[in-house]
Amino acid sequence: EVVLTQSPGTLSLSPGERATLSCRASQSVTSNYLAWYKQKPGQAPRLLIFGASSRATGIPDRFSGSGSGTDFTLTISRLEPEDFAVYYCQQYGTSPTFGQGTKVEIK
Amino acid sequence: QVQLQESGPGLVKPSQTQSLTCTVSGGSFSSGGFYWSWVRQHPGKGLEWIGYIHYSGKTYYNPSLKSRATILVDMSKNQFSLKLSSVTAADTAVYYCARVYTSGWHGFFDYWGQGILVTVSS
Repeated sequence: EVVLTQSPGTLSLSPGERATLSCRASQSVTSNYLAWYKQKPGQAPRLLIFGASSRATGIPDRFSGSGSGTDFTLTISRLEPEDFAVYYCQQYGTSPTFGQGTKVEIK
Repeated sequence: QVQLQESGPGLVKPSQTQSLTCTVSGGSFSSGGFYWSWVRQHPGKGLEWIGYIHYSGKTYYNPSLKSRATILVDMSKNQFSLKLSSVTAADTAVYYCARVYTSGWHGFFDYWGQGILVTVSS
């Protein structure tokens, strides 16, 4: 099983600031098959990024994904009020696994 | 626009079998490039993949569930289902159904249902 470790656990930022979220895999992720999701309280997760860097349909360009191998990053260039949520990474190079999540909260 | 909707009992007794159904609308259920999946989320915790099924009937499961999970598909109704046997309190969670986009063995979850809370309690 590929274990994904996300850091930090919580990120306290103000609207307009830049957010950088990390996802580290216990082994290399096949073909950079890594996705990112956003989840707000009481809602289902929403796909943001797939293939490490491709934005899903309708996702604003302030969201970007990068990385390869075992280290991946989700960057939100300028935080909007609706971006404060929990973010999960997921790998699909083998049986899917998720990271434990990073909460982005208002400072 | 693909929509998924979970249904089933919200309360199940310990040791019983939990059964949930997901109804899919707005898309081609029998398209070859997708799997249909169940994911759960324990209260206040992260996401756990349970398994998925292709419309052909081929299935993949999370080994951690130790063969307690069974996913079936009913193409005539555009539905797929989850049965989880021998449930305990540890199975209390929000259960999501989701579509999986795949170009290989596995994939990412591009559409999700709203989720259904299942509580295991006597």
